[in-house]
This record gives sequence, structure tokens and C-alpha cells, in this order.
Amino acid sequence: DAKTTQPNSMESNEEEPVHLPCNHSTISGTDYIHWYRQLPSQGPEYVIHGLTSNVNNRMASLAIAEDRKSSTLILHRATLRDAAVYYCILRDNYGQNFVFGPGTRLSVLP
Amino acid sequence: GAGVSQSPSNKVTEKGKDVELRCDPISGHTALYWYRQSLGQGLEFLIYFQGNSAPDKSGLPSDRFSAERTGGSVSTLTIQRTQQEDSAVYLCASSLGTGMSGANVLTFGAGSRLTVL
Repeated sequence: DAKTTQPNSMESNEEEPVHLPCNHSTISGTDYIHWYRQLPSQGPEYVIHGLTSNVNNRMASLAIAEDRKSSTLILHRATLRDAAVYYCILRDNYGQNFVFGPGTRLSVLP
Repeated sequence: GAGVSQSPSNKVTEKGKDVELRCDPISGHTALYWYRQSLGQGLEFLIYFQGNSAPDKSGLPSDRFSAERTGGSVSTLTIQRTQQEDSAVYLCASSLGTGMSGANVLTFGAGSRLTVL
């Protein structure tokens, strides 16, 4: 699986938007971009995924660069409950396991 | 079931004992994954099952670790002769896995916290 690079940590104020970046310059044409998050003392949970087009769901939005070498997870209004480690992962149609990097630790300030 | 179920949620054992951790994936999910997470660390991949077979065992840290999956459903991770460094949260996840689509997503269980004294 291709590698991803994320900042180690980010901070946001409550009720403000948060943009979490992910670089994946070696992405291949068949790689899906997945985001998961892990709240304190819980297992990771799925957030969103996409291939080429931007995606929206009830949790977040995923903005994918035109060349697909980077993407951004957007939380439109951060809440204290969004404080977590966010993982950006690439997944192709042939890969057998999901490789989790260190992720970005998001702190949300009241 | 509605989600991925893991048991026990907590296990305290003495060094040298064997432990078994169980994962019951979502019904119909053919792919099953085991990860380990030590305190304050990221997720470490252990093993992956597609149906009953394990095409990728590359993450098992030593021959004291083994896993099996029978009937394409429940999986058991066994750690023999436990050591203190085995203390961690062991997480199981499952996904549809059909056709190995990159769109298939993981659903995680709550984990089994293992403490080796």
C-alpha cells in the first residue's frame, strides 16, 4: 500500500471548521482514500472514503485534490467530541490489509 | 450481529500463561483483521483473514502468537507463554472484503485489553 503523511497534531477551537491534511504523493489510480478516527479509549471508527470526487456524509467532507496526491478531511464545526486521532489510509483493490500510520491527534479547545 | 464483538474486554494474566482472545465479526463480513495497540502507540497490524484462510500473517510478532478462523466467522487470537511486552489492547475489525474492493470499509470492535503481570 502507498504511504500517507499527516501532521502529528492539530488544534482547533470548538464550533470552528477543521481541515486535516493528508499527503499521498505515490497514490495509484486504483487507491481509495479512507479516513478513520480513534476517540480516547475506543477502537477506530470509519469516517469517510473516496476515490476521485469530493465526498460528503453526516460526519465530514473529504476534499480530494485534482491530481489525487493529497486530500483534506473537513469537519465543518468541531465539537469537543471530535477530539481524536485521525488516520488517513490508502486502500487499493488488491491490498489485503489496512496499514495505519501514526495519524493526526486533533485537540478541540472550548 | 450489529457490530464486531470482542471478548474478554479485559484480561489480566500472569507471565507465562496462555491467553485466548475472541472476535465475532459482523455477519456476512468475509474479511477479518487483528491489530495490536500498545499504550499511547498506533495500530500494529497482526494478521488478516479472508474467509478461513490467512493470506497475510506478516504482522505476528513471534511464534507465540497464532490465530485461527473457523466457519468463516469467529476468530481466536492465541498468545502462548505471555510476556509483559504483550500487554496491549488487541483490536479486531471486519469488512465485506468481497472482490477485495478498495471501497470496503473496516468496522472495529471495542478491543480486548490484555495486561500481563
